[in-house]
Amino acid sequence: KAGVTQTPRYLIKTRGQQVTLSCSPISGHRSVSWYQQTPGQGLQFLFEYFSETQRNKGNFPGRFSGRQFSNSRSEMNVSTLELGDSALYLCASSLALEPYEQYFGPGTRLTVT
Amino acid sequence: AQSVTQPDIHITVSEGASLELRCNYSYGATPYLFWYVQSPGQGLQLLLKYFSGDTLVQGIKGFEAEFKRSQSSFNLRKPSVHWSDAAEYFCAAMDTGRRALTFGSGTRLQVQP
Repeated sequence: KAGVTQTPRYLIKTRGQQVTLSCSPISGHRSVSWYQQTPGQGLQFLFEYFSETQRNKGNFPGRFSGRQFSNSRSEMNVSTLELGDSALYLCASSLALEPYEQYFGPGTRLTVT
Repeated sequence: AQSVTQPDIHITVSEGASLELRCNYSYGATPYLFWYVQSPGQGLQLLLKYFSGDTLVQGIKGFEAEFKRSQSSFNLRKPSVHWSDAAEYFCAAMDTGRRALTFGSGTRLQVQP
C-alpha cells in the first residue's frame, strides 16, 4: 500500500501571501490530521478531518484552515503568511477507528521570507 | 493540562550499546501511547503503540517499550543500537476523546562508532 503523500515537498512564499498544501491519505483511511513542526514549538496539532468535516481543531489562528474532499484527500490553507509560519507541515492519516493510530507523510517544508 | 515530557534532549550511545529513552505523560486517564522516529528531512515513522493489556509492547526495528502506570511512563528501549538508529525520537499520547496527538519535545539520538 502506498503511504501518505504530500505535495509540494518544499515551498517558499513571501509574507502576506497565502499557500495551499495537499495531502493524500493511505488508501482506505478516512481521517486526516495536520500538524505543524517548528524548532521552537515542536509538533503541534492543527486540525482533523473525517468525512469532509472538521472534527477537531488545535489552538491556531483562523488564518489556518483546511478541508477534506469526498475521496478523503485533504488540503490546508494558510492565508496572510507570517514569518513564524515557516515550518514543516505534516499530514497524518488513520482508519478513524479506535485507537486512531496515525501514519505520517513526509511533510511540506514551508519557508516564509 | 495534558502533556508529554521527554526529559532528555540529546543522548549519545555507542554502537552495540543498549538504549533507553524516557517518556512521561500527564493525563486524567491512561491515554493511547506511541513512539515515533524522525530522520532528518523526513516525516514521522510509527515505531510502536500501547493501547491496553500487556505493558511490554514490541515494535519495529527491534524496539520495545514498557508502560508503567504507577510512574506515568512509557520508556522506549533497544538492546543493541545500530548506527542507522541515529534520529530524533518522539513520544506521543492521544486523548481518546479528541483524536489528536500530543507530542513530547523529542530526544535526539546520536550513535558513536
